Amino acid sequence: AQSVTQLDSHVSVSEGTPVLLRCNYSSSYSPSLFWYVQHPNKGLQLLLKYTSAATLVKGINGFEAEFKKSETSFHLTKPSAHMSDAAEYFCVVGGGAQKLVFGQGTRLTINP
Amino acid sequence: GAVVSQHPSWVICKSGTSVKIECRSLDFQATTMFWYRQFPKQSLMLMATSNEGSKATYEQGVEKDKFLINHASLTLSTLTVTSAHPEDSSFYICSAAVTGTSGTSVYGEQYFGPGTRLTVT
Repeated sequence: AQSVTQLDSHVSVSEGTPVLLRCNYSSSYSPSLFWYVQHPNKGLQLLLKYTSAATLVKGINGFEAEFKKSETSFHLTKPSAHMSDAAEYFCVVGGGAQKLVFGQGTRLTINP
Repeated sequence: GAVVSQHPSWVICKSGTSVKIECRSLDFQATTMFWYRQFPKQSLMLMATSNEGSKATYEQGVEKDKFLINHASLTLSTLTVTSAHPEDSSFYICSAAVTGTSGTSVYGEQYFGPGTRLTVT
């Protein structure tokens, strides 16, 4: 079975500093991995996805993630946080038959 | 981009009544739609997978007679919570999977609706 673990339930950074949201996955086969963002009272938006192509995946809004098979990790990073990045972030693994398995989420807070 | 809408955005109902939530793909056809449930400060849990013209496939532990799903067209799926109780209060989110030009779905390209907040009193 596929699963993901987001290592931090809450991350707080200052505006302009780097962001790191950690995610480890478990998969019995080569996984498809995603990061979604959920702003309050809005739908989920796909930030980026990994589907066995380049291990460094660039997404929208300056986010990127690196797939590391040896570490079973897919951490999300951004060089410089912006106030608008404050939201809930979900690491997701493809669970087969188009299903998505969501991590518990990481709430990102940006301090001015 | 692909847009998915949900209606209503929030609803309050009395215990014992039924509530219908609509999920529409506005500018694309979706052969598959998914229904999720999200409790406060928790993650999304898949409830069921809905394919146009066929019966929905429910995840383990989800009561199919309580959560009725209908996917009558390529742009509309509905979730009906029957005989709702306070424990059914939650945030219900749908998503729609994009169908590729070859007729197969583009894996992972799920577009999410804004969600429906249900409160049962």
